Amino acid sequence: EPEVTQTPSHQVTQMGQEVILHCVPISNHLYFYWYRQILGQKVEFLVSFYNNEISEKSEIFDDQFSVERPDGSNFTLKIRSTKLEDSAMYFCASSEARTVNSPLHFGNGTRLTVT
Amino acid sequence: AQSVAQPEDQVNVAEGNPLTVKCTYSVSGNPYLFWYVQYPNRGLQFLLKYITGDNLVKGSYGFEAEFNKSQTSFHLKKPSALVSDSALYFCAVRDGGSQGNLIFGKGTKLSVKP
Repeated sequence: EPEVTQTPSHQVTQMGQEVILHCVPISNHLYFYWYRQILGQKVEFLVSFYNNEISEKSEIFDDQFSVERPDGSNFTLKIRSTKLEDSAMYFCASSEARTVNSPLHFGNGTRLTVT
Repeated sequence: AQSVAQPEDQVNVAEGNPLTVKCTYSVSGNPYLFWYVQYPNRGLQFLLKYITGDNLVKGSYGFEAEFNKSQTSFHLKKPSALVSDSALYFCAVRDGGSQGNLIFGKGTKLSVKP
């Protein structure tokens, strides 16, 4: 079964540094998402992306965050200047369509630790 | 605003017994409801969904969920629990007013003992 692939599985960075999290969505999917899960808390929506532009973003997704689809397969999340509170598990997801029938398929996540 | 509540932080069940993981929702329009499971160090795996139609929805790994409109609930069930079912379970509602954004509950840890 096709999978969403995320790399790296664990990223440690110092406060103020830039990080880029990588995702390869399922190949025939058109909609892409980033979610995050701070330890012990809810899974929270960050951003959705379609047709090479952001469709929707949450309040969490401020100017420090950006997303990009640099080629036909990768979907990246960049945090420009990391803060301690950015430490979380970041999940990439993709879906075939934007209709309510189309479930999101999640990757295994990248655990970001900001020190 | 759309929201999901999972009232139990943890559910403990003996292997072979039936299990129920509770979820209630609040939506302004039609509810689009999902269950996901998260195994340790893994991502969220889709289990089942309710969009419309039969109130009893069957999904992966023998799980099912019952949609109850009057009680605004979507409880996850399985007739006979396995130790391998032990994981974190998330109920989610699709925000029909957005671009497919999922709103998750806080999760319920299911522990199945032999």
